[in-house]
Amino acid sequence: AQSVTQLGSHVSVSEGALVLLRCNYSSSVPPYLFWYVQYPNQGLQLLLKYTTGATLVKGINGFEAEFKKSETSFHLTKPSAHMSDAAEYFCAVSVSNVDTGRRALTFGSGTRLQVQP
Amino acid sequence: EAGVAQSPRYKIIEKRQSVAFWCNPISGHATLYWYQQILGQGPKLLIQFQNNGVVDDSQLPKDRFSAERLKGVDSTLKIQPAKLEDSAVYLCASSLERTGRETQYFGPGTRLLVL
Repeated sequence: AQSVTQLGSHVSVSEGALVLLRCNYSSSVPPYLFWYVQYPNQGLQLLLKYTTGATLVKGINGFEAEFKKSETSFHLTKPSAHMSDAAEYFCAVSVSNVDTGRRALTFGSGTRLQVQP
Repeated sequence: EAGVAQSPRYKIIEKRQSVAFWCNPISGHATLYWYQQILGQGPKLLIQFQNNGVVDDSQLPKDRFSAERLKGVDSTLKIQPAKLEDSAVYLCASSLERTGRETQYFGPGTRLLVL
């Protein structure tokens, strides 16, 4: 079974500082990896995803993430935080069940990003 | 392009009552998902439809939860009877395909409080 661990339920950074949100996954087969963002009272929105190919993935709003197979990680970064980045961020993994062949998203518990002026 | 629509946005009921949530996915999206998001946790998949057929309902508490997707478009999720632990946000999402690498588009959710 696959699982997703997001280190740090709350992260606070100053405006203009580097944003680093950590995500580690466990999977016995190559996963598809996603980062979604949730703004208050809104649904989740895709930031970026890794399926195959280049391991450094660029997403919307200046975010990027790097798939590191050896570290089973998919950390999300942004060079310079903006006040509008304050939201909840979810890492998710999609892996095919070897018994059923079904793919489903498993989400981490989320990291709330606070940006201080 | 219109997004995923859900109603109602908020619902307060007493335990043992029944409640229903409605979802209208993005036009043309064959796959529809219902998730439960408990406060402080990530969304958990309850059920997945491909057109009007159920693909995965392994995590749906079938003794009290039911869902249908008539004509492969709109979907309804029902809880009967509700328990206190059902208090959560219920998210509906849709996608064009079901390969596992597709983007899921989420609605704003229905926030349920069971008293």
